[in-house]
Amino acid sequence: EAGVAQSPRYKIIEKRQSVAFWCNPISGHATLYWYQQILGQGPKLLIQFQNNGVVDDSQLPKDRFSAERLKGVDSTLKIQPAKLEDSAVYLCASTQLLSLNSPLHFGNGTRLTVT
Amino acid sequence: QQQVKQSPQSLIVQKGGISIINCAYENTAFDYFPWYQQFPGKGPALLIAIRPDVSEKKEGRFTISFNKSAKQFSLHIMDSQPGDSATYFCAASSNGGATNKLIFGTGTLLAVQP
Repeated sequence: EAGVAQSPRYKIIEKRQSVAFWCNPISGHATLYWYQQILGQGPKLLIQFQNNGVVDDSQLPKDRFSAERLKGVDSTLKIQPAKLEDSAVYLCASTQLLSLNSPLHFGNGTRLTVT
Repeated sequence: QQQVKQSPQSLIVQKGGISIINCAYENTAFDYFPWYQQFPGKGPALLIAIRPDVSEKKEGRFTISFNKSAKQFSLHIMDSQPGDSATYFCAASSNGGATNKLIFGTGTLLAVQP
């Protein structure tokens, strides 16, 4: 099966600019996650979707970050305006079932550098 | 209480040796403990996972040891190979709700020297 697709692979922007990331999960996976991985740290959950509904966005900085999954398939994550501390790898993951026996499948991420 | 503490931060092991990475948690509601392996430029991939009803799980050269009373678990890599060089993350989650949000440790960079 094809893996989780993410684009772009890299993005460099200046602070206060906006940026958007795209994710296409594995076909048939109902649950989609966006994680932020700052250099030297573990991934931190930003938002979780079940189909096109938000399950958990408690750690999403909603004043600048937004995400959507309109048709319950692919998803976009947007940052506006970006800050220096947003420099990180943004990972998208999907899973077939909302179950502990269903592992997360991660994409290769988008590396964002904010200057 | 939502943290998962991981050590060491980095580890150098000779080929054929045993690599040991440790994690500790506080939240007793956690009931799923996976380990993820991440190569440079790639996303993390599930390596092995354990539930708290067993004290050990082995898959090939990889073993998880789990100590429920101490709230600690560890990954052992037997006969470590240069191809095992990667960053390893422990994680934990609970199934007591609508989400199975994973809390990740800070990662261990493993280098296996030939």
